[in-house]
Amino acid sequence: EAQVTQNPRYLITVTGKKLTVTCSQNMNHEYMSWYRQDPGLGLRQIYYSMNVEVTDKGDVPEGYKVSRKEKRNFPLILESPSPNQTSLYFCASRTQGADGGYTFGSGTRLTVV
Amino acid sequence: GDSVTQMEGPVTLSEEAFLTINCTYTATGYPSLFWYVQYPGEGLQLLLKATKADDKGSNKGFEATYRKETTSFHLEKGSVQVSDSAVYFCALSALNTNAGKSTFGDGTTLTVKP
Repeated sequence: EAQVTQNPRYLITVTGKKLTVTCSQNMNHEYMSWYRQDPGLGLRQIYYSMNVEVTDKGDVPEGYKVSRKEKRNFPLILESPSPNQTSLYFCASRTQGADGGYTFGSGTRLTVV
Repeated sequence: GDSVTQMEGPVTLSEEAFLTINCTYTATGYPSLFWYVQYPGEGLQLLLKATKADDKGSNKGFEATYRKETTSFHLEKGSVQVSDSAVYFCALSALNTNAGKSTFGDGTTLTVKP
């Protein structure tokens, strides 16, 4: 089944403790992206990648890192999480052409206390 | 920069009512336009898309037409069902050097009552 898999689904952590949210896709998509969803703020793009070793900032990159060492994986790294990063995170992937819509993962609910 | 403005919600309708959710956009060039749907507790799913002016995207009874002259991509359905209750997002993807960047509207919550 074609899908984007994120892990974990739920995570509660403490301020300053480094964490990684994994994302993997099995569709051989070139483009991958991370979004955060917050009430009243909609969906905001954190980082995106157009291919292996090619990443760029989205609208809200501060406090996040990403890497794209393999085509299928695009982990999101929070080196020193803070409470304002409490959010619902989505990973998504699509084909290279801009006319392809994104396939989204099921989301990761992160709480930083 | 690019932006997407959606009709504010929430929207509450009775079953079999007509649905319109307005979406307008600002972008350089000719973006591709999308509607996504998010059911409770799930990720977003692509509902329909249009890639050039006057294209009509359709799926599951929903339709939207790419109107370049009014920079709009309004979502419509002739007869909604309770199962259509969800959050709907309008989005665009640019056709330029920032093609990896996609912009989403804030989402419109639809509740359909029996």
